[in-house]
Amino acid sequence: QQQVKQSPQSLIVQKGGIPIINCAYENTAFDYFPWYQQFPGKGPALLIAIRPDVSEKKEGRFTISFNKSAKQFSLHIMDSQPGDSATYFCAASRTGANNLFFGTGTRLTVIP
Amino acid sequence: GAVVSQHPSRVICKSGTSVKIECRSLDFQATTMFWYRQFPKQSLMLMATSNEGSKATYEQGVEKDKFLINHASLTLSTLTVTSAHPEDSSFYICSAGRDRDTQYFGPGTRLTVL
Repeated sequence: QQQVKQSPQSLIVQKGGIPIINCAYENTAFDYFPWYQQFPGKGPALLIAIRPDVSEKKEGRFTISFNKSAKQFSLHIMDSQPGDSATYFCAASRTGANNLFFGTGTRLTVIP
Repeated sequence: GAVVSQHPSRVICKSGTSVKIECRSLDFQATTMFWYRQFPKQSLMLMATSNEGSKATYEQGVEKDKFLINHASLTLSTLTVTSAHPEDSSFYICSAGRDRDTQYFGPGTRLTVL
């Protein structure tokens, strides 16, 4: 059973656009929600993470929006660049449990 | 961010041989490390949780006798794929837990079994 559902599977935007990737979860015990960026042939790199006590977190061009009641969270990439082309994974975990449950990934392509 | 290294980055071996993959946390101590497997264009699948000084915890469906994990120190965990077969060909990625939540991933090891 997929603990974290992610959509869309792939996304193509023009340079400067704002791609949005959505994730949903069921387990209300989850209290840590990171996003990872992965380039081909490389390991995932932590991008940004949020906890349920805030509804939004921004780091540079990356913003997480969190809706606790809907059990959904999303990643927004402002002013997207071709270098942002990668696969993005959302994840969730429960404090103390350590293991991350990953979404299925979104392959983002930013066209120059 | 924290640095986690893996070695080798790529390995090709014959069917029936064993392959060892090392995962090191370079600038912090990790009591817990994780091993994932990733097939092309798919998500990461947790194989096992490696705890320093104790036995690893394997996820359901992962053969512990085939994927041997040793976490001998706070900076090193190893995964040995024993008697590898072509179906074991995959991208293996480790991660190290820096604090109660944050995990940093290694660059991955591409295993090809001929």
